[in-house]
Amino acid sequence: AQSVTQPDIHITVSEGASLELRCNYSYGATPYLFWYVQSPGQGLQLLLKYFSGDTLVQGIKGFEAEFKRSQSSFNLRKPSVHWSDAAEYFCAVDPSGTYKYIFGTGTRLKVLA
Amino acid sequence: DVKVTQSSRYLVKRTGEKVFLECVQDMDHENMFWYRQDPGLGLRLIYFSYDVKMKEKGDIPEGYSVSREKKERFSLILESASTNQTSMYLCASSWSAGYNEQFFGPGTRLTVL
Repeated sequence: AQSVTQPDIHITVSEGASLELRCNYSYGATPYLFWYVQSPGQGLQLLLKYFSGDTLVQGIKGFEAEFKRSQSSFNLRKPSVHWSDAAEYFCAVDPSGTYKYIFGTGTRLKVLA
Repeated sequence: DVKVTQSSRYLVKRTGEKVFLECVQDMDHENMFWYRQDPGLGLRLIYFSYDVKMKEKGDIPEGYSVSREKKERFSLILESASTNQTSMYLCASSWSAGYNEQFFGPGTRLTVL
């Protein structure tokens, strides 16, 4: 079955430390890939997206993600985390350009001062 | 800025009641979506509409129906609410030309007693 896996349910990092959130998908072809962030009590905001081309994608708020076809992964990174980055992060995949996403189960990020 | 609004942030209903959740977008998007968000399950697609009066079932349509009479408005209907429909409901919209990300509303937290 098609699926999106975010293996880390919770991650805690210290402010200023680097961050990597993992996302793996199980599709044959390269899907459309997205990372969204959800602050408490809010809807989802797009951080970045990948359709084709350069496999390192820059997003908002200093985030970047790298698409690795061989590993079926699209991991999100940030070199230095800020306290305001505490939120839940969702990886989403559109496997066939049908506009219907499949979401991962999310990773909740806690930032220690 | 794209704006997606949902009629209520919090809603409390009783078992068996008919419930309407309203979503309005102001950017002339063709596509509109209703998701349900539950802890540990991520977001799951309930219904998708790609045009006025057009709809497609998502992954979990049972117990729900939708209505799209105007392009900007997409309603989710719980014909007879049950306690297992207590959840966060998120509406989203997107253009269909080219490829564009989904924009999300703030969500409605529904409690069914």
